[in-house]
Amino acid sequence: AQKVTQAQTEISVVEKEDVTLDCVYETRDTTYYLFWYKQPPSGELVFLIRRNSFDEQNEISGRYSWNFQKSTSSFNFTITASQVVDSAVYFCALSGGTGGFKTIFGAGTRLFVKA
Amino acid sequence: GAGVSQSPSNKVTEKGKDVELRCDPISGHTALYWYRQSLGQGLEFLIYFQGNSAPDKSGLPSDRFSAERTGGSVSTLTIQRTQQEDSAVYLCASSLEKLAGGPDTQYFGPGTRLTVL
Repeated sequence: AQKVTQAQTEISVVEKEDVTLDCVYETRDTTYYLFWYKQPPSGELVFLIRRNSFDEQNEISGRYSWNFQKSTSSFNFTITASQVVDSAVYFCALSGGTGGFKTIFGAGTRLFVKA
Repeated sequence: GAGVSQSPSNKVTEKGKDVELRCDPISGHTALYWYRQSLGQGLEFLIYFQGNSAPDKSGLPSDRFSAERTGGSVSTLTIQRTQQEDSAVYLCASSLEKLAGGPDTQYFGPGTRLTVL
């Protein structure tokens, strides 16, 4: 069965600090897809990134970067120079393979960025 | 263009009553998902529709839950004989699934907050 673990329930940082959100996944499939979504206080989930299992290149988008390591089944998310607006719940998700398009979400990490 | 819309935004009902929650996906999106998010929890997959294929109902928690998608567009999630543990936010998402390209980005609606008294 597929599983996503986000061990960090809550993280609190001060503005301008860097912060890494961990995501560890379990799957027996060789083809799968990983996602990160952001859920701000307003409640509506927003897509951040999609990565397939054959692409292990790390990605950077502005202050956001993602480190995908198949050897450790991890897909970690780093926010550089955090800002108050980054305060949200962040979800890691897994889909594809024998699970088809069914998407399994982690429990989420709540990030507080204090001014 | 318009995003995913859900109605009602809030629903308060009494235990034992049936409720219907509606989702209007983004036009042209072939895939539609329903999730449940209990207070402070992650998203729990309920059901997935893709085009004309049989839906993946593996996440429905009991036979009190059912969903339909009419004409490949609007979907209704029905909960019969509601229980207090059904209280949660029900989220709908749609995506442009390209079968050859694997699961695509999901665009989420604002959710329906269901409270069962």
